[in-house]
Formats: sequence, structure tokens, C-alpha cells
Amino acid sequence: GENVGLHLPTLSVQEGDNSIINCAYSNSASDYFIWYKQESGKGPQFIIDIRSNMDKRQGQRVTVLLNKTVKHLSLQIAATQPGDSAVYFCAETHPGNQFYFGTGTSLTVIP
Amino acid sequence: KAGVTQTPRYLIKTRGQQVTLSCSPISGHRSVSWYQQTPGQGLQFLFEYFSETQRNKGNFPGRFSGRQFSNSRSEMNVSTLELGDSALYLCASSLVWGGPEDGYTFGSGTRLTVV
Repeated sequence: GENVGLHLPTLSVQEGDNSIINCAYSNSASDYFIWYKQESGKGPQFIIDIRSNMDKRQGQRVTVLLNKTVKHLSLQIAATQPGDSAVYFCAETHPGNQFYFGTGTSLTVIP
Repeated sequence: KAGVTQTPRYLIKTRGQQVTLSCSPISGHRSVSWYQQTPGQGLQFLFEYFSETQRNKGNFPGRFSGRQFSNSRSEMNVSTLELGDSALYLCASSLVWGGPEDGYTFGSGTRLTVV
């Protein structure tokens, strides 16, 4: 199967600081990547996505960076807030295939 | 509009029993995917249904099965439950294919505990 992994299982940041969550993938055919946020007791919630023809995409307070050369994906959260505390998953897929999810990074924001 | 609805939210079953979980997709969505989520394995893909047909299948034993009805509602069944089947079962629906561009939305899941 696919190997979609995260570099750190947990991450703690001070409120107001920027957060960076990393993800590595192994399938060079993957052309679509997504970051999800999962809060306790809820299903994963879409944050931002990026296609392989891009290397950066920005949303509201979030930026996704894609480095296809080293098969690495990162999620940057600016001015992290307590409400950002959750588990973050990266997922990748390519046409006709299923989504493969990483195991998740638990982000804790310290007030 | 209503989101993806999964029932029941919590379930406790005994080893050897079977269980059926339900997922009602967002109105108009025709694709439903099922995932198993455990602390150690993350989200593992079970299967995807589109227009009542299984389109993709993950690497799970035959004890795990599913189906989709003409109204796009889907059920998954696990027979002969094992302790290791304890997990959060999530379903996601989308218009056609299965990406967020297509409205890929997760439900809140069914927490299954096997004792």
C-alpha cells in the first residue's frame, strides 16, 4: 500500500506562534494532496488542498507547500490559536485511486 | 444543508457478533467511502461505492462488506467481530469522484467497541 507518514506524532506551540506540520509520501504518481483537521469526537474536516502542478497554495491563515522532488508536504498555520488544537492528517491520491491518509500529528496550542 | 449522517454514534458488541453501520450522504452526493480509524493505524480505506456499485476496495478481510442503496445511503457490515475491530468507522460522501473539489465530506463516525 501507500506510505504516507508524518514526521512527528505530536506538536506543541505557543498561542500566536506559527505551526508547521510535515508529511512525507512515497508514491511519485500522486497528484492531489489534502490536509484535514480532526477535532475530538468529530470527523476529519477539509482544510486545504493542492495539486501536483503547484508548489504552494494559501488559504486563510494556512499555507500548504509541496516539494515533489523529495515527496514532502507541509502545512503552515499562521498565528496559531487554541481552536487550532486538533489532529492534522495529510492525504494523497492519484486518478482512479483511493485516498491514503497519514497517521496524524496532534497539535496542542498552549495559551 | 445537512451533512453526512452516520448512525449509530456509539456501539458495543461482543466478539463473534456482527454489526451494521449506516451512512446517509449529503443530498445529491453519489459516492460514499468508508474508513476505519484506529490510534495506531490512522485512517484505513475500506471501500467506496458509487451508484450502488463498489468502485474501490481496500485491504480488509471479507468479514468487512458494504452496499449502497438507490438513494445513495450506504451500509457497512462486519461479521464475526474481533477485538481488533474496535475503531471509529468514518464515511465520506462526494458528488462523483471523491475529492474535496467534489465536496468530499466526512461524517462524525460510529465508535465501535468490541468486548
